[in-house]
Amino acid sequence: DTAVSQTPKYLVTQMGNDKSIKCEQNLGHDTMYWYKQDSKKFLKIMFSYNNKELIINETVPNRFSPKSPDKAHLNLHINSLELGDSAVYFCASSQVGVTNEAFFGQGTRLTVV
Amino acid sequence: AQSVTQLDSQVPVFEEAPVELRCNYSSSVSVYLFWYVQYPNQGLQLLLKYLSGSTLVKGINGFEAEFNKSQTSFHLRKPSVHISDTAEYFCAVNGKQGAQKLVFGQGTRLTINP
Repeated sequence: DTAVSQTPKYLVTQMGNDKSIKCEQNLGHDTMYWYKQDSKKFLKIMFSYNNKELIINETVPNRFSPKSPDKAHLNLHINSLELGDSAVYFCASSQVGVTNEAFFGQGTRLTVV
Repeated sequence: AQSVTQLDSQVPVFEEAPVELRCNYSSSVSVYLFWYVQYPNQGLQLLLKYLSGSTLVKGINGFEAEFNKSQTSFHLRKPSVHISDTAEYFCAVNGKQGAQKLVFGQGTRLTINP
C-alpha cells in the first residue's frame, strides 16, 4: 500500500480554470503538508494541517485553498489558474514529536497552458 | 527562522568514485537535519536524518552524513557511487520548536558518469 498517495499525477489545464488535487495518507500521522516545487526544483512549504487544523499558511495566494476533511486527507483546490501556477505539488505527512521526518507523495505535475 | 544552503548545484562524478554533497544551515533554534533524494519524476525519499546523539549518521544506499554543530554543516558522503545514484539530493532542516515544517536547500544534481 502506498503510504502517501495523491491524485492526479499529471494535470494539464487552461488558464482561468479551477482544479483540485487530492491527497491521502495511511500512516496514521497527525500532520499533513502541501509543498510546491518550482521549475528550478526548489521546494517550499505552502500549508500544513495538524488534526484538521490549519497551522501554516505561507503567504500563498487566496486562489489556493486547502481542505482537510479528516486527518488522513488533505486536498488542494486552486481557483482561476495562472501560468505561474505550473509546478509540481507534493503532499506529505508526519507524526510530530516522533521522528519529525516527512513522508512524501509522488507529486502532481500541474501544467497551465 | 531557518535557511539551508547547498553549496553545489551540480556534482559530476565517475562511477565507483567517492562523493561529498555539501550542506550548511542557519537557525536561531536547535534543528533536526535531513537528506532526501529525488529520482526523476518521483517523490522525495528520506536518505537519512540527524535528531540527536552521534554526529555520524548512516542512511540507506550506503550514504552517511556528519553533523557539525560548530560549522552548522551536514555534509552527505558516499565512498563509492553507482550509476543508480544519479538523482537530485536535498538537504533540509526542521526546527525543534514551533510549527513543524521542512526548509529545503536548493538541491544538488548528482550525475554519475561511467
